[in-house]
Amino acid sequence: EVQLVESGGGFVQPGGSLRLSCAASGFTFSSFWMHWVRQAPGKGLVWVSHIEPAGVTTYYGDSVKGRFTISRDNAKNTLYLQMNSLTTEDTAMYYCVRAGVSYGLDVWGQGTTVIVSS
Amino acid sequence: QSALTQPPSVSGSPGQSVTISCSGTSSDVGTYDRVSWYQQPPGTAPKLMVYEVSNRPSGVPDRFFGSKSGNTASLTISGLQAEDEADYYCATYSSSSTVLFGGGTKLTVL
Repeated sequence: EVQLVESGGGFVQPGGSLRLSCAASGFTFSSFWMHWVRQAPGKGLVWVSHIEPAGVTTYYGDSVKGRFTISRDNAKNTLYLQMNSLTTEDTAMYYCVRAGVSYGLDVWGQGTTVIVSS
Repeated sequence: QSALTQPPSVSGSPGQSVTISCSGTSSDVGTYDRVSWYQQPPGTAPKLMVYEVSNRPSGVPDRFFGSKSGNTASLTISGLQAEDEADYYCATYSSSSTVLFGGGTKLTVL
């Protein structure tokens, strides 16, 4: 079964850091672009970042550029999101997502919740 | 990176058809056939319903039809069913290889 399982969410104070992980299984992880997408409570989906299969090329949304870093370990079938200088605006459910061969985001994890609050 | 524009809400009765629009620009929706649509029932993760403007993944009913004209993409759902009630989001890749989502549309089945 194709599956993505996020972990690492939690409660953090403004200015703090958090590292999210996403364990992939059931497919050849090293062949796919991977994304992080977030959703604040009661709000819409917002794209955060994506990374190409080899882990060299990355892209970021304007709201997280310079603060978040996406990376991957293909040997461990794991995607990461290092989040620094967190603000209350970063409070959201964070989804790990696989990009299919045709630009559709075809596999979504169940998400991990990040709460930034003092 | 401006979000794509969707209507906040649409509604229809069972058996009817509804169309959700998704407006972008000539730098994203208008240039590339990379528009996708996602269904998100309350409390669940999104699900891919349409990719590359009009293609359906395996298992998605043919009641869901995607199309595009100029800078606007559309998702038409025919033969509305109660189970279709959800939030719907469009997305596309931009010319700078980032991803843009629409603000989401809440579909209510009356």
